Amino acid sequence: KAGVTQTPRYLIKTRGQQVTLSCSPISGHRSVSWYQQTPGQGLQFLFEYFSETQRNKGNFPGRFSGRQFSNSRSEMNVSTLELGDSALYLCASSLVSQDSSYEQYFGPGTRLTVT
Amino acid sequence: GQQLNQSPQSMFIQEGEDVSMNCTSSSIFNTWLWYKQEPGEGPVLLIALYKAGELTSNGRLTAQFGITRKDSFLNISASIPSDVGIYFCAGRDNYGQNFVFGPGTRLSVLP
Repeated sequence: KAGVTQTPRYLIKTRGQQVTLSCSPISGHRSVSWYQQTPGQGLQFLFEYFSETQRNKGNFPGRFSGRQFSNSRSEMNVSTLELGDSALYLCASSLVSQDSSYEQYFGPGTRLTVT
Repeated sequence: GQQLNQSPQSMFIQEGEDVSMNCTSSSIFNTWLWYKQEPGEGPVLLIALYKAGELTSNGRLTAQFGITRKDSFLNISASIPSDVGIYFCAGRDNYGQNFVFGPGTRLSVLP
């Protein structure tokens, strides 16, 4: 069974631009969660989508948004990029929603650099 | 909000040695997950724990769900060079809707 895939793997953007990252979950998984990982803050939860609905949201500004499609694939968008948005963005899929305590499986991440 | 602490922050061990690390929470958790992350990759799930006192093994790795439900432990026996990486714990309590991650323990194995 294929794992979680994320595209692109690497991205360089300029301040003020916007970016869209994509995540395809493990086949059959309906929940996709997004995390930001930085050396200073560690793994920070952004949001979770389950059956095309945002189930839960972390403490990030409105510039960070996402959506999930009917095939469970998810996209994350960051608008008006700031230097501090440089990070590894990870997506994790699970069979059901996070509040059912199922394991999450991570993708390889998208390394975003904002210059 | 929920916070997880992991100790030690980093450790250097000789190949063949056993390793112990732990994760503590300020609140009672009902699920603990342990992950390993290598440079440039996403975290890989190692072990999942769902019940207080539960002891689960995955090869040379053994993890335990603490009986207080506020901590979890990961042991690696007979370490090898490929054990190098950052080990993260993640947990969820009965009220939270998402998992919280610890800051990680960085493991270095010296040949």
